[in-house]
Amino acid sequence: GAVVSQHPSRVICKSGTSVKIECRSLDFQATTMFWYRQFPKQSLMLMATSNEGSKATYEQGVEKDKFLINHASLTLSTLTVTSAHPEDSSFYICSATSAGGSGNTIYFGEGSWLTVV
Amino acid sequence: AQSVTQPDIHITVSEGASLELRCNYSYGATPYLFWYVQSPGQGLQLLLKYFSGDTLVQGIKGFEAEFKRSQSSFNLRKPSVHWSDAAEYFCAVHTGGGNKLTFGTGTQLKVEL
Repeated sequence: GAVVSQHPSRVICKSGTSVKIECRSLDFQATTMFWYRQFPKQSLMLMATSNEGSKATYEQGVEKDKFLINHASLTLSTLTVTSAHPEDSSFYICSATSAGGSGNTIYFGEGSWLTVV
Repeated sequence: AQSVTQPDIHITVSEGASLELRCNYSYGATPYLFWYVQSPGQGLQLLLKYFSGDTLVQGIKGFEAEFKRSQSSFNLRKPSVHWSDAAEYFCAVHTGGGNKLTFGTGTQLKVEL
């Protein structure tokens, strides 16, 4: 089946630095990718939707200058947390779908744990 | 806007017992519905999905779910739970066109041996 891979699975960074998380679709072309954030024991909150070759669409309350999303190819989207702070520590999950139409299955990556110290 | 409600935050069942996890949605038309499972510290795995057609959907690992339009529900069931089923379960809905998912708050399943 389709596979979505995230890297790194765990990352620790110092406060004030930037960290990049990659999301790759391994055996299909992902026209749309989604980035979610999940706090411990809570549900997934959609941060942004990225379409290949265009700017990401951010959900209300998500700082686009802090969470930079790039979807430069049909198999790769990146999330960069800029000037990270401890409150940015969280579990970040991406998902991908192969077409823009309705009714398509959405596949999730394994998630990335970010700890800001 | 669409929303998803999972009324049960925690559920504990004995191994071998049957299971039903509740999910209710709010949306004007027929939504596309999903159930995902998440083990601790892991990503989400798709259990099953409903797009149209037969309202009883079979999924992986022996799970099934039934779409009931009159009740706006999409409950997940399993006739006999295994200890390895202990995990967090999320119901999700997307309304088509954007493939954006809205998740319920999740139900934590604990299985007693």
